[in-house]
Amino acid sequence: GAGVSQSPSNKVTEKGKDVELRCDPISGHTALYWYRQSLGQGLEFLIYFQGNSAPDKSGLPSDRFSAERTGGSVSTLTIQRTQQEDSAVYLCASSPGQGVGKLFFGSGTQLSVL
Amino acid sequence: GEDVEQSLFLSVREGDSSVINCTYTDSSSTYLYWYKQEPGAGLQLLTYIFSNMDMKQDQRLTVLLNKKDKHLSLRIADTQTGDSAIYFCADGGSQGNLIFGKGTKLSVKP
Repeated sequence: GAGVSQSPSNKVTEKGKDVELRCDPISGHTALYWYRQSLGQGLEFLIYFQGNSAPDKSGLPSDRFSAERTGGSVSTLTIQRTQQEDSAVYLCASSPGQGVGKLFFGSGTQLSVL
Repeated sequence: GEDVEQSLFLSVREGDSSVINCTYTDSSSTYLYWYKQEPGAGLQLLTYIFSNMDMKQDQRLTVLLNKKDKHLSLRIADTQTGDSAIYFCADGGSQGNLIFGKGTKLSVKP
């Protein structure tokens, strides 16, 4: 596709359930990022993948959060045992390469934990 | 740690200039960025400036960088209602990721 695609666009889940959020980056982009956007909290960095390097997981808020990137392309962000405070918009972005901050963002997944 | 600060709200009248300010802490960044987020959408890169420049102009947009004070600003000339959005300042973090501010919501009144 022409841009970064995220699915689902909306997800409602019950507290304690696991959720998976998907990101399809722009073809050929080697860098992939996950951010979380909460009301009043701005954009919070979660995790960053660059090529075959070990991901930078320094932004993950707890061990309930994990992400993987298969084949250097599609990425999945998994939240286990969801809590109400996990409710937010989860944004994925991709970029042509390291050191270049021209990120292309998807429209996000709105996660609501009831 | 690395941090980016910006004011949360700005309201201007159509036709006026808007100035959105930002301060950052990481002095090693090569580039600094401004992103725009329209309602219900992801962020889009608006403009960026190389850290050894102090000004960049792009049509109605002017970016000013004061590296000594670690201060970045975005000026939008002749602001239009279509400019209403949230504007994020971003700093190229030392780890390769971008550190974003909390965003400034620009409201343009007719």
